[in-house]
Order: sequence, then C-alpha cells, then structure tokens
Amino acid sequence: DVKVTQSSRYLVKRTGEKVFLECVQDMDHENMFWYRQDPGLGLRLIYFSYDVKMKEKGDIPEGYSVSREKKERFSLILESASTNQTSMYLCASSLRTGGGTGELFFGEGSRLTVL
Amino acid sequence: GNSVTQMEGPVTLSEEAFLTINCTYTATGYPSLFWYVQYPGEGLQLLLKATKADDKGSNKGFEATYRKETTSFHLEKGSVQVSDSAVYFCALSEDRGSTLGRLYFGRGTQLTVWP
Repeated sequence: DVKVTQSSRYLVKRTGEKVFLECVQDMDHENMFWYRQDPGLGLRLIYFSYDVKMKEKGDIPEGYSVSREKKERFSLILESASTNQTSMYLCASSLRTGGGTGELFFGEGSRLTVL
Repeated sequence: GNSVTQMEGPVTLSEEAFLTINCTYTATGYPSLFWYVQYPGEGLQLLLKATKADDKGSNKGFEATYRKETTSFHLEKGSVQVSDSAVYFCALSEDRGSTLGRLYFGRGTQLTVWP
C-alpha cells in the first residue's frame, strides 16, 4: 500500500524556535511537495522538489526552506517560527509522468501551533 | 496563469439529496482536472480525475465532466450519504507537457450531510 508519512501529527513550538517537519514516501516518486492548509485559503504551495537536491519555490516560500538529500525524504524547515506560521502542513508526492496527469499522494498532515 | 475557483461553502444537505459543487478554472495549455476529498482528521485523497476535454471522471457515485468550452469541472452526486461529509477540493495540473506534476487547488468546499 502506497504511503506518505509525516513525522509528527501535532507540534507546539515557541516563537523563534527552529522547526523541522519530515516527510517520507515509499513509492519511489520523483516529485515531492509541501503545502500549507488554512481555513478559507485552501492549499498553498510552499516548496516542491522534482529530484534529489533540487528544489523550487512555490507560491509562499518566505520563512521556509527545504531539504531533499534522499529521494524518499523531503524536509520542511522553519528557521525561526512565527505565530503566523501556525497551520496544517501537508506533504505530497507524485511520479514524474511526463504528462501532467500524475496523482498526488498526501500524508495525513502536521498541525503546527506556534505560541 | 493557472487558477481554480470553486463554490464557497459550507454546503449542508440532507441524506439522499442531490449534490453539485461548482468548479471553474483558468489554465494555459491542456491541463488535467481533479477532485480531491479530505475526511476529518485525514490528508487529501484523490476522488476522481479527467485528463482531456469531454472526459468524465467517476468514483463512489461522484461524477465530474471536463468541459473545455465552459472551463468547468463541476462535481455531482445523485444521492449523498452522511459518510460523504468532508471537504472537497477541485484542482488542475499543469499542461500535459510538464513533468513537474504540480497541482493548483481551489479553496475547498465543506460538505455536511445530515441524516
């Protein structure tokens, strides 16, 4: 069964802390994505990666960075957490289909609260 | 650019009622279209998809037809159940020529079905 696993379902951090959100997929997918989900705003793309050590900015990359050292793992890093980064973070992966038709597979999400 | 506009919720229906959730899109090239569903406490999962004009996607009694002339992909179900209560997201992929597999999401529509 295909799976995208996010390391933490719930996190509580303090303003200014460094936060790591980990995501691992077992489907040998080339593409991986980090979205944040906020009520009324839907899903907004933070960063994505189409290969090991490659990364591309999404629509809202400010305040975030990412790391993709291995194909199966894509980490989201908040260098200095702020209260406006309180949100649900969703990781997803997909095959590089060459046709733009690839289905995204999502993890269950990590709900981050920054105090 | 690429964007998706979907009907704002929340939508509240009685069991066995007919459901329509409207979705229109703006895209360059030839995108694929998707509906994703998010059940409470879970990540998103693919509900159905259509990859070219006039295709109909269907799954679990839900249907949507890719209408290029009206740039729409409305979700319908003839008789909803309490278990269909969830948030529904319309999404489009980048052009078929793209390998990145990035999806653009609407803001989501919360559906609540009462017995």
